[in-house]
Amino acid sequence: EAQVTQNPRYLITVTGKKLTVTCSQNMNHEYMSWYRQDPGLGLRQIYYSMNVEVTDKGDVPEGYKVSRKEKRNFPLILESPSPNQTSLYFCASRQSTGELFFGEGSRLTVL
Amino acid sequence: AQSVAQPEDQVNVAEGNPLTVKCTYSVSGNPYLFWYVQYPNRGLQFLLKYITGDNLVKGSYGFEAEFNKSQTSFHLKKPSALVSDSALYFCAVRDMSGTGGYQKVTFGTGTKLQVIP
Repeated sequence: EAQVTQNPRYLITVTGKKLTVTCSQNMNHEYMSWYRQDPGLGLRQIYYSMNVEVTDKGDVPEGYKVSRKEKRNFPLILESPSPNQTSLYFCASRQSTGELFFGEGSRLTVL
Repeated sequence: AQSVAQPEDQVNVAEGNPLTVKCTYSVSGNPYLFWYVQYPNRGLQFLLKYITGDNLVKGSYGFEAEFNKSQTSFHLKKPSALVSDSALYFCAVRDMSGTGGYQKVTFGTGTKLQVIP
């Protein structure tokens, strides 16, 4: 079954404690991306990757890092989380036909 | 800069009635247009897209959308709404004129569809 898998699905953490949200896809897609979803703001792109070792900033990259060492994995790293990073995060990969395939989301709360 | 507008935060419709969820866009080049649906506590799911050709595109679950180039709109429609259609709907645009192989996708803010039994 085609999947984008994110972990954890839910996380409560404290300010400054480094965390990583993992993302893995089994469709051999080259393009992957991270979004955050906030009420009234829709989805905003954090980072994207066109292929292995190729990453670039999206619209709201401040406070986040990513890496793409393997095609299937695209982790999102918060080195020093802050309360304004409390959000719902989605990882997505792109089909060859153009549409995005999303994970189930990771709800992060930073206290 | 490209943009997507979904002017209605919420749309209420009675079950069995036709529904429309509005979307307008702005891009410099030729647009790819998408609709996605998000059910509670789930990720976004692809519904349909317009790339080129027929202005009326059909998608999953009986949904369709009409591309109108002069009005820069891509409204989502369904002839007869179901209670199970209640969800959050996102319109998105991808500007195909992007360079370097990357074409940015911009999402609207979403419209909550409530179908009343």
